[in-house]
Amino acid sequence: SAVISQKPSRDICQRGTSLTIQCQVDSQVTMMFWYRQQPGQSLTLIATANQGSEATYESGFVIDKFPISRPNLTFSTLTVSNMSPEDSSIYLCSGEENENTEAFFGQGTRLTVV
Amino acid sequence: GENVEQHPSTLSVQEGDSAVIKCTYSDSASNYFPWYKQELGKRPQLIIDIRSNVGEKKDQRIAVTLNKTAKHFSLHITETQPEDSAVYFCAASQRGSSASKIIFGSGTRLSIRP
Repeated sequence: SAVISQKPSRDICQRGTSLTIQCQVDSQVTMMFWYRQQPGQSLTLIATANQGSEATYESGFVIDKFPISRPNLTFSTLTVSNMSPEDSSIYLCSGEENENTEAFFGQGTRLTVV
Repeated sequence: GENVEQHPSTLSVQEGDSAVIKCTYSDSASNYFPWYKQELGKRPQLIIDIRSNVGEKKDQRIAVTLNKTAKHFSLHITETQPEDSAVYFCAASQRGSSASKIIFGSGTRLSIRP
């Protein structure tokens, strides 16, 4: 399957600032998603990153807080805006080449907000 | 929307014994059920998946069963080995629709006792 390179792998940020996380796929994927994973917890879907249009957000997540871009079929960014300590988590992107292939993940970004 | 429940949350088995993890889903339109293994500090990795037109699938020591009527699916690991120790997540998705996002269960921490 394809490989996703996600960066940064970790960061420590001041509250009130923003961080942009990038995911680059080595081949075109039809679907890309962003998840949040608290330590020791499951993966919670933040949004579906739609190529060339606005992302589709899950309940509890809003565009102003988590703006997402997907300019093409190999790249997406997630910004965590106006951060607070509650945003400290691991953020993961995933991609699917098509509906008949598995979803695979980036290596995750461990974010700590102080 | 889809809701996936998973149990047990923790499971400890003797090396060589079998491990079983069970999940239920709520949306009868879900048709794709992947299982992911996540080792500490690593990204989730697909270990096996099953589609709704199949009742059982096996890959070496790993097998998955699906009961569409009851909306249950289970992961079976036989002859467990120390390297099987990890967190396992079940998930559900509607492939081939606009709702192809993957929703994860809460996870099972599997420990293999030597």
